[in-house]
Amino acid sequence: AQSVTQLGSHVSVSEGALVLLRCNYSSSVPPYLFWYVQYPNQGLQLLLKYTTGATLVKGINGFEAEFKKSETSFHLTKPSAHMSDAAEYFCAVSGTNSGGSNYKLTFGKGTLLTVNP
Amino acid sequence: DAGVIQSPRHEVTEMGQEVTLRCKPISGHNSLFWYRQTMMRGLELLIYFNNNVPIDDSGMPEDRFSAKMPNASFSTLKIQPSEPRDSAVYFCASSHKPLLGAGERSPLHFGNGTRLTVT
Repeated sequence: AQSVTQLGSHVSVSEGALVLLRCNYSSSVPPYLFWYVQYPNQGLQLLLKYTTGATLVKGINGFEAEFKKSETSFHLTKPSAHMSDAAEYFCAVSGTNSGGSNYKLTFGKGTLLTVNP
Repeated sequence: DAGVIQSPRHEVTEMGQEVTLRCKPISGHNSLFWYRQTMMRGLELLIYFNNNVPIDDSGMPEDRFSAKMPNASFSTLKIQPSEPRDSAVYFCASSHKPLLGAGERSPLHFGNGTRLTVT
């Protein structure tokens, strides 16, 4: 079984400030981890993913996330927020191919990011 | 690449009516997913198709919900009869999974969703 906890349903930062969105996961098998972004009235778009290999993953729009197995975390960061980053962000986990259930993405409840001028 | 196309974008209907949501996945993708998004429950997987065959429908809420994938380029999600508690945004997503071996699935590509309101 897998689960995702996103700490903070709403995060507000000033333009130019550091963005930190927290995600902790639970998985009984080695996880694949994802961050998706959702802009108003749109579907989810993939920001970045971790499957294997390097634990620091870089994504689009200057975002990156680090997989920390010991902390079961996959926090999303961006050094300097831009107004266009305002959106809802979802962390998600799926299993690896073990058991053939790697299609099951379990999403967190989302974190709404507000960027103030 | 036109992306995943869903129709309609908005649907307003009265309780008891039949609702049909449509999805065209990305060409070449062999996996299709229907998700439901609500404030209370977040994103829930309803059903997953692989190569047009339903693999997992354990997320379908009840018998009022049904989904079909008659071919690789089209899927429908039907609610009959609809109820106010079905009001949500319904997303279709597609991806590609290698047919052989333990290859990695491509990331999900989501459509823009159908916002369903049942009054």
